[in-house]
Amino acid sequence: AQRVTQPEKLLSVFKGAPVELKCNYSYSGSPELFWYVQYSRQRLQLLLRHISRESIKGFTADLNKGETSFHLKKPFAQEEDSAMYYCALIYKYIFGTGTRLKVLA
Amino acid sequence: DTAVSQTPKYLVTQMGNDKSIKCEQNLGHDTMYWYKQDSKKFLKIMFSYNNKELIINETVPNRFSPKSPDKAHLNLHINSLELGDSAVYFCASSQASGGASDTQYFGPGTRLTVL
Repeated sequence: AQRVTQPEKLLSVFKGAPVELKCNYSYSGSPELFWYVQYSRQRLQLLLRHISRESIKGFTADLNKGETSFHLKKPFAQEEDSAMYYCALIYKYIFGTGTRLKVLA
Repeated sequence: DTAVSQTPKYLVTQMGNDKSIKCEQNLGHDTMYWYKQDSKKFLKIMFSYNNKELIINETVPNRFSPKSPDKAHLNLHINSLELGDSAVYFCASSQASGGASDTQYFGPGTRLTVL
């Protein structure tokens, strides 16, 4: 079955600490994975796509087909990074259950 | 210049009523979607329309009926509202209908509360 799993509902880190938001997928084809972010009281917005291999707001994510993962990473968390993060298999409209990131001062 | 807009933002209604949520996009996209986000923040696709034609219809009660008068609008009508329909409903749009570069743009959401 096609599935996106985000094992952590809540992740709390201190400002300046590294962040890794986990995402694992189950998909028989070639996965097209995205990370979306939802800041408090705002709409979901695209953070980054694996095909772009870009770094947005200091975040990066690498597709690891061997581990079927697409973890989101940032070396130094900022308070403004606090939000809900969703990993998504966009082609199949499958979203993970989301991880709430709290960056503590 | 809001790209994807939804009305109303909040909707509080009694069980058994019929209500509609409207969505409009001014991005010139061909595809529009409705998602439901439950109290646990789980986001699930409900419907997708491409150029006014239904292309995705997930397991959704037939009390929910999407209507697309043109490709810039996708409205959601809900009959006989139930307590379990309480959620945040998000509209989204994208240029194509899925694919590696097909970024979805989301509306602000409509928080529906059924009493």
